[in-house]
Amino acid sequence: DSGVTQTPKHLITATGQRVTLRCSPRSGDLSVYWYQQSLDQGLQFLIQYYNGEERAKGNILERFSAQQFPDLHSELNLSSLELGDSALYFCASSARAYGYTFGSGTRLTVV
Amino acid sequence: GESVGLHLPTLSVQEGDNSIINCAYSNSASDYFIWYKQESGKGPQFIIDIRSNMDKRQGQRVTVLLNKTVKHLSLQIAATQPGDSAVYFCAARTAAGNMLTFGGGTRLMVKP
Repeated sequence: DSGVTQTPKHLITATGQRVTLRCSPRSGDLSVYWYQQSLDQGLQFLIQYYNGEERAKGNILERFSAQQFPDLHSELNLSSLELGDSALYFCASSARAYGYTFGSGTRLTVV
Repeated sequence: GESVGLHLPTLSVQEGDNSIINCAYSNSASDYFIWYKQESGKGPQFIIDIRSNMDKRQGQRVTVLLNKTVKHLSLQIAATQPGDSAVYFCAARTAAGNMLTFGGGTRLMVKP
């Protein structure tokens, strides 16, 4: 157990739908990062939050959004889903400048 | 922007041999590097990291070498075991961005 909790582990939904992925960081970590990993691909950075504020944005589609709540958990919202959005979505957290711990991911399948 | 790439997509080694996985990065401002191991269906697992003020760091059976001159790092695994079979990613970070940029991954296959 890495200490980073992601739910749900698996999600199957239809095209056009909206889903929410949840991440609870390690205790004490203020930064949360979201990454997308398509089949046999590397991890693509989507977005980072630090203590409730958006800190950095990567290749995140306009249909996707995220937020970090006062208790530091984060949610990634994916809307108007397309087949190509099927992927593993990982959350990572870090306390300071070093050490990034990943959760076990949410596998999203869009049918 | 930052790009991080791996030279070999698949590496096959005999059990007990040493493995070397290579990675190149493009941003000379990268100040921190991490190697992750990812098994099928699981999240990336931290293996070892190195800061840019170092050129070598050793862990248990693993060594990371950093050559800033040519912007290259490598992961050496000693006495490779079947449990080492996985995809290995290198990641680089610039202090300004704070997020990690990942390479495409190398699949390590250990033959018994």
